[in-house]
Amino acid sequence: GDSVTQMEGPVTLSEEAFLTINCTYTATGYPSLFWYVQYPGEGLQLLLKATKADDKGSNKGFEATYRKETTSFHLEKGSVQVSDSAVYFCALSDLDDYKLSFGAGTTVTVRA
Amino acid sequence: DGGITQSPKYLFRKEGQNVTLSCEQNLNHDAMYWYRQDPGQGLRLIYYSQIVNDFQKGDIAEGYSVSREKKESFPLTVTSAQKNPTAFYLCASGHLGQGSQPQHFGDGTRLSIL
Repeated sequence: GDSVTQMEGPVTLSEEAFLTINCTYTATGYPSLFWYVQYPGEGLQLLLKATKADDKGSNKGFEATYRKETTSFHLEKGSVQVSDSAVYFCALSDLDDYKLSFGAGTTVTVRA
Repeated sequence: DGGITQSPKYLFRKEGQNVTLSCEQNLNHDAMYWYRQDPGQGLRLIYYSQIVNDFQKGDIAEGYSVSREKKESFPLTVTSAQKNPTAFYLCASGHLGQGSQPQHFGDGTRLSIL
């Protein structure tokens, strides 16, 4: 079945550092790919998405490109802030029944 | 504002007790979902529903039950058969037939054993 493998954390960075979180997937069809963010004590919020190969999703300085050839959707941000401290989840959507498959999540802590 | 409301935010269960977690949405979404979140394991699907009066088991349905009597509501009951219920439970909703559209999440309910 569909699955998502995500870089394990935790990741600790200093402010203004470069962030990369690796995400690879296995799917039989052509899924849509998502990054969600979870701040402490809250639910998940959509950060960005891409629906077909070579699409680039972007939001709040974060970017991720749908790479079909490497089955990857790595998340990047060029200069992180303390407010980016959160848990980040990579996910894919099964286009047949619209269920989401999630990676294990990566905890990111940004220090001032 | 449209959104998903989960209640209560914190819930405690005694041994042998069933508890029900509420989830209401006003986004006019057809599909609703329940996920369980444990540390280091991501989110796992418990049940989902694509239409009123119909629902399907997800990956970890044992010890849980749901109902979908109204489009807006999808309550989850954690039964006494669920031996390890301590977790963070998240409800979500989405458009049916639009896998490219994201699911929207509530703020979750944290369930603990007394």
